[in-house]
Amino acid sequence: GESVGLHLPTLSVQEGDNSIINCAYSNSASDYFIWYKQESGKGPQFIIDIRSNMDKRQGQRVTVLLNKTVKHLSLQIAATQPGDSAVYFCAENKAPTGGGNKLTFGTGTQLKVEL
Amino acid sequence: DGGITQSPKYLFRKEGQNVTLSCEQNLNHDAMYWYRQDPGQGLRLIYYSQIVNDFQKGDIAEGYSVSREKKESFPLTVTSAQKNPTAFYLCASSIGRPTYEQYFGPGTRLTVT
Repeated sequence: GESVGLHLPTLSVQEGDNSIINCAYSNSASDYFIWYKQESGKGPQFIIDIRSNMDKRQGQRVTVLLNKTVKHLSLQIAATQPGDSAVYFCAENKAPTGGGNKLTFGTGTQLKVEL
Repeated sequence: DGGITQSPKYLFRKEGQNVTLSCEQNLNHDAMYWYRQDPGQGLRLIYYSQIVNDFQKGDIAEGYSVSREKKESFPLTVTSAQKNPTAFYLCASSIGRPTYEQYFGPGTRLTVT
């Protein structure tokens, strides 16, 4: 079946360094990808999204890269801060056939920022 | 949390009892979703609704039921048929196309003993 998976369950980085969180997907029909940040005990928060017709998209301190050739998605966080410590999820939306939309989530990567 | 409220934040029930989790949104979103999250896992879709009075089963609907009588509300009932109901439950809503972004509530942690 289709799945969204992450390469690493935990990522530790030093404060001020850049972080890269990776995600692999297997559904070549997916047309939309999104990254969420989830702090402990809270609901996920939107970080950034990207459509399949794009390779790169930048936000504030974050960049998402999409490589459709190898079905790989990454989230780059510049100058990582202690407040960035959280679990990060990627999710994909398979191009809907019935008019609706559903997101399929990966298992998440725990980002730990060391002082 | 983006105009989505879930109540209560913590809920305790005895095994064999049905329990209903509340989800309300004031974002005027057509679509609403219920997810279950277990420790160390991602979000799994239970039910979703694209429009009032209509809903579809997600990947793990067994033991759950929903209703969508109003656009703003999408309550989830965890029935006694759900074999492992203890989990963190998240509600989300979406405006739909052209964006698929979903806005999440703060979650309800259900513990069944």
